[in-house]
Amino acid sequence: QVLLVQSGAEVKEPGASVKISCSTSGYTFKNYYIHWVRQAPGQGLEWMAILNPSGGDTSSAQSFQGRVTISMDTSTTTVYMELNSLRFEDTAIYYCALAGLDYWGQGTLVTVP
Amino acid sequence: QSALTQPPSASGSPGQSVTISCTGTGSDVGGYNSVSWCQQHPGKAPKVIIYQVTKRPSGVPDRFSGSKSGNTASLTVSGLQADDEADYYCFSYAGKNNYVFGSGTKVTVL
Repeated sequence: QVLLVQSGAEVKEPGASVKISCSTSGYTFKNYYIHWVRQAPGQGLEWMAILNPSGGDTSSAQSFQGRVTISMDTSTTTVYMELNSLRFEDTAIYYCALAGLDYWGQGTLVTVP
Repeated sequence: QSALTQPPSASGSPGQSVTISCTGTGSDVGGYNSVSWCQQHPGKAPKVIIYQVTKRPSGVPDRFSGSKSGNTASLTVSGLQADDEADYYCFSYAGKNNYVFGSGTKVTVL
């Protein structure tokens, strides 16, 4: 079955970076784009970025451009999302999701005190 | 890219219907037949219930239906049940490999 398994919770100081992994299995990795989505406490969903695993092209929301880097390791079918220059407002649950949003990771809580 | 506009809340009694709107622009909702709807229960990851405006993934009851007119997409939940109480988000392609979510609607079953 399709599985997206994310790395564990992180606590980071303001100004630091965080890198979250999303390990995928159960489908042909290169055939489906991967989205990154976040949700601040009590707030709505916010689309961050997308990766095309066939070639590695990425695109990000304007509000994250310059701060977010999406990468992948095809040998382990793992996708990574790195967010730099963290601030308090980046405290959120970060999700990876398969194209079509029909499969989601369990979410990774990032806390910036 | 601003969030698509949804009403903050909607409600109905069991068995009734509720319709949620999702208003964007010609650059997102109105420009593409690529609107999805997600349902999110508290503490859970979202779940897609409508994709490509009107299509339902397997396992999603036909009580959920989607439509679009111009720059506004809509989700209708018919025959409301207690388990339909959740947050609902629309999600649209916005061109050039960009996407945008709606602001979210909390549905309450009275």
